[in-house]
This record gives sequence, structure tokens and C-alpha cells, in this order.
Amino acid sequence: GAGVSQSPSNKVTEKGKDVELRCDPISGHTALYWYRQSLGQGLEFLIYFQGNSAPDKSGLPSDRFSAERTGGSVSTLTIQRTQQEDSAVYLCASSQDSGGTDTQYFGPGTRLTVL
Amino acid sequence: SQQGEEDPQALSIQEGENATMNCSYKTSINNLQWYRQNSGRGLVHLILIRSNEREKHSGRLRVTLDTSKKSSSLLITASRAADTASYFCASILNSGYSTLTFGKGTMLLVSP
Repeated sequence: GAGVSQSPSNKVTEKGKDVELRCDPISGHTALYWYRQSLGQGLEFLIYFQGNSAPDKSGLPSDRFSAERTGGSVSTLTIQRTQQEDSAVYLCASSQDSGGTDTQYFGPGTRLTVL
Repeated sequence: SQQGEEDPQALSIQEGENATMNCSYKTSINNLQWYRQNSGRGLVHLILIRSNEREKHSGRLRVTLDTSKKSSSLLITASRAADTASYFCASILNSGYSTLTFGKGTMLLVSP
């Protein structure tokens, strides 16, 4: 079946603009994760959705970042008033459930460049 | 704070040689996973080892876990140029959270 997909693959924006990044998880996966990877760094957890539960937003770096997951499927990560330090690859992953033992499957990422 | 720390940061070997990468972590884990990343984009899951396991194999990959030392190693045998990538260890903490905590990765270069 199809894997996790993300769009756009690349996004260049000007400082101060808002951006929306989209993630389509694997069908049937109840858990969805957003991570951020800055150049040469490991992945930084941003936010986690599990079913209909309230999301774990503990990784969001500021209130400019928000995410939604509609209908338990597609998720959108929104960054308002982008800053140059927001430039990174944003990766989405999904897994079958949140038991902590399931493999997370990653999308190809969205490379965000803030000028 | 960084949960996982890979060592070395970079590794350069010839095709056919074995590559060993190490990962150390700080707090108790539920399981530890190794991922591969090509060209700074999507990650591919390689192998998962649970906290009650000591060794696991998958094809040319061998992973060990020493919970007393809070460390894991990934061995790639008979490496190929196509193995060139960054390798990350990631852990699920015992704190109840299901999110993966990643290290900064080891960049492996396999020369033909």
C-alpha cells in the first residue's frame, strides 16, 4: 500500500509569512507524529496525535507552531510568521498504534526554507 | 536534551568491510530502533530491539543492546556503496511517551 506522503516537498517562503505543511499517513494508522530536522542534526519531536485523544504538543518550539489532524487522518502543520530559524526539513511519521512498540513509518519530508 | 548519542559522527570504509556504529542513551527505554536516512530526507526503519532483548539480526544487520551500559551497536557486514547514508538510533522512553527520541546520527560513507 501507499506510504506516508507529505506536501509540498519543498517550500521557500519569506520571513513573516505563514506556511502550511501537509501529511497523509498510512491508511489505518492511528498515531501520527511531526518531527523537525535542522541541517546536520537529529530529529526533534514536535507533536503527536493518537486517535481522538488530545495531541501531545510538548515539542512545539513556540506558539507560532500549531497542528491539526482532521478526521483522524490527514494532518496539517502550520507555522505562522515564519522566521529564518524555522528553516528545516519537517518529517511526518505514522504508526499503527501508540503502544510504544510499533514502527514509525516516515514520509519524505518537506524542506522549508525561510528567506 | 539529546537522549541518543551516536558514535562515531562519521565513518568512512571500503566496500566489503564491516561498519560498526554505536549509540548511547541516558534514560530507561522501552525499545531502541535504528533508522537510515538518505540525502537528508525520509527515514527508513531498519530494526527494532526491545529492552528485554540483547541481540537481533536482519539480513546484513546485527544490533546489540546492553541496558546495563545504556548502549546499542549496529553492525553492517560486507558493506556496499548503497549503504552510504546517515544512521540514527531512536528510543521509546519508559516514561510513557510514544514519541521517538533521536540522536544526531552517524554518517557512513562506503567507497567502491
